[in-house]
Amino acid sequence: ETGVTQTPRHLVMGMTNKKSLKCEQHLGHNAMYWYKQSAKKPLELMFVYNFKEQTENNSVPSRFSPECPNSSHLFLHLHTLQPEDSALYLCASSQLTGTAGGHEQYFGPGTRLTVT
Amino acid sequence: AQSVSQHNHHVILSEAASLELGCNYSYGGTVNLFWYVQYPGQHLQLLLKYFSGDPLVKGIKGFEAEFIKSKFSFNLRKPSVQWSDTAEYFCAVNWGGGFKTIFGAGTRLFVKA
Repeated sequence: ETGVTQTPRHLVMGMTNKKSLKCEQHLGHNAMYWYKQSAKKPLELMFVYNFKEQTENNSVPSRFSPECPNSSHLFLHLHTLQPEDSALYLCASSQLTGTAGGHEQYFGPGTRLTVT
Repeated sequence: AQSVSQHNHHVILSEAASLELGCNYSYGGTVNLFWYVQYPGQHLQLLLKYFSGDPLVKGIKGFEAEFIKSKFSFNLRKPSVQWSDTAEYFCAVNWGGGFKTIFGAGTRLFVKA
């Protein structure tokens, strides 16, 4: 397996459910990202992890909870979501040098989430 | 606030036509600039990037982009498009090497065979 993988690819959940999205990168990168891609809106950064430490939380509601157990794996735990949270959730990774960011990112295929 | 604007949401061209997609960002300083492409059914991938040096950068598949600092612009160009260039194109800007990269809303390009 190469690149960035995401599971599941599709997820339908009710507003009272709890589910998790998983991302794994096979590139040896040290930073990982969660983005939300909604129709007709720019890609929205949700969270950034650098060396397993969260460095960005872009004012994301607490019903989204990230977890980064190591530099290769990233999870997004979901609970009590709203219908407007339906979107494509993308994971990405990059290789940072020192403490600087700004490098190109490698994206996974995304998880298409539908909240009913 | 930092923002990235892409001028066209939808572009339709015939094969062999020239392409230019506009991208402007909100304010200056040191920037890292990117164009990403998402082909139908595929994931986002890097098309080209600018960090420093020659403001005219070349990417994959014959694409190029020009960084004009005075205009806060990073327009994407291709002299002759092909049907296989049908995709959505995203401009992205990172300011000062921070962890946050801002993406534009994307431009959907459809190339007629």
